[in-house]
Amino acid sequence: QLQESGPGLVKPAETLFLTCTVSGDSISSRDYYWGWIRQSPQEGLEWIGTMYYSGTTYYNPSLKSRVTMSVDTSKNQLSLKVNSVSAADTAVYYCARHPAILGVTGFYGMDVWGQGTSVTVSS
Amino acid sequence: QAVLTQPASLSASPGASASLTCTLRSGINVDTYRIYWYQQKPGSPPLYLLRYKSDSDSHDQQGSGVPSRFSGSKDASANAGILLISGLQSEDEADYYCMIWHISAWVFGGGTKLTVL
Repeated sequence: QLQESGPGLVKPAETLFLTCTVSGDSISSRDYYWGWIRQSPQEGLEWIGTMYYSGTTYYNPSLKSRVTMSVDTSKNQLSLKVNSVSAADTAVYYCARHPAILGVTGFYGMDVWGQGTSVTVSS
Repeated sequence: QAVLTQPASLSASPGASASLTCTLRSGINVDTYRIYWYQQKPGSPPLYLLRYKSDSDSHDQQGSGVPSRFSGSKDASANAGILLISGLQSEDEADYYCMIWHISAWVFGGGTKLTVL
């Protein structure tokens, strides 16, 4: 299970912080990568990034300059930071699990999603 | 032009079959991609249905608990991935999204709203 949490409302130009608590799996498992996806009526589903517990990260090129993902293995949590938010960042943010591809470095698409947390950017 | 294009809506009758298409942009060959399909109902996150590349690909997978009446295929002539839902049920009414890994990024289609009536 994955459970996202966040502030709900963020002001323009501020920084958004979201966390995803993973239960039932270890975020340090070699079997999985962990990702963030957002969904808005305007942009639809948009992949933000994916990371491995070791710190290897993969970001959407369109967001790479403003986002940072991290893991806290002691808390079994995944985090997302988005800098300089604007109204365009208003969306439901999901965390998700990616199965690792056995024998190679890489991962499949998302197979388990959290319930999502709604974020509104507004003054 | 979007990387993945899906019809905005599709209607089908209970018990019938529905083919949901996901057309890849010209110049992107569907044969080389593994296509993922998700179902989303209002107020819920996307649910992973399956991933499909070819009938003989060992990396293809049905999502956990997903009925076998959901299956994947491709139409190479249309450069499209297909989600086939057979024996439609009212509970299949939902939005359906396709996704591929393209140039080091996961890319989603715009989704198809399936109405079962």
